[in-house]
Amino acid sequence: NAGVTQTPKFQVLKTGQSMTLQCAQDMNHEYMSWYRQDPGMGLRLIHYSVGAGITDQGEVPNGYNVSRSTTEDFPLRLLSAAPSQTSVYFCASGELTNEKLFFGSGTQLSVL
Amino acid sequence: DAKTTQPTSMDCAEGRAANLPCNHSTISGNEYVYWYRQIHSQGPQYIIHGLKNNETNEMASLIITEDRKSSTLILPHATLRDTAVYYCIVRAPYQAGTALIFGKGTTLSVSS
Repeated sequence: NAGVTQTPKFQVLKTGQSMTLQCAQDMNHEYMSWYRQDPGMGLRLIHYSVGAGITDQGEVPNGYNVSRSTTEDFPLRLLSAAPSQTSVYFCASGELTNEKLFFGSGTQLSVL
Repeated sequence: DAKTTQPTSMDCAEGRAANLPCNHSTISGNEYVYWYRQIHSQGPQYIIHGLKNNETNEMASLIITEDRKSSTLILPHATLRDTAVYYCIVRAPYQAGTALIFGKGTTLSVSS
């Protein structure tokens, strides 16, 4: 019973590099989302999806892209990494009818 | 979403019940009470939620007052692994596009 799987767990990037954070869930959830967590800022919503082929912006979408080609996968792309994107990133999934979310174990990203 | 107030920290002896309070005096009729926790360096973990009736699952019990202005999360037999930050969130359903607001939560320290 894998739940929500995020890879990689740690990543160091140089400014300007691009990368993709992977997220997969095996619970057939319609809803998936990406949060970032910074000290003193709580969790902030980056992008979310309510089903395959449907994505939308959250509170802090700038510098990130997402796509949802399948129900299971929801990758987050950093197009040109900046030091301000140093953070811990969490992927979460759930049903649309309630706020019971299942979170992945996180990706700690450092941009130098 | 209604605002919640939780104590900053609490201590509990291993094996004893941990009772974590939450005030949500401005809760609306369609808003649920959700509890999550975050163990250090891990993603948030859903614990339980309820609307107005008391709820129990394998992890905890949720007691909601009759006027719904406050609630208590009960961990019946706390263990060292329950040491975490506990978040009380009040939220209406179908809010896919807005972030869960975790606030500062209560840091529960369980000691032997």
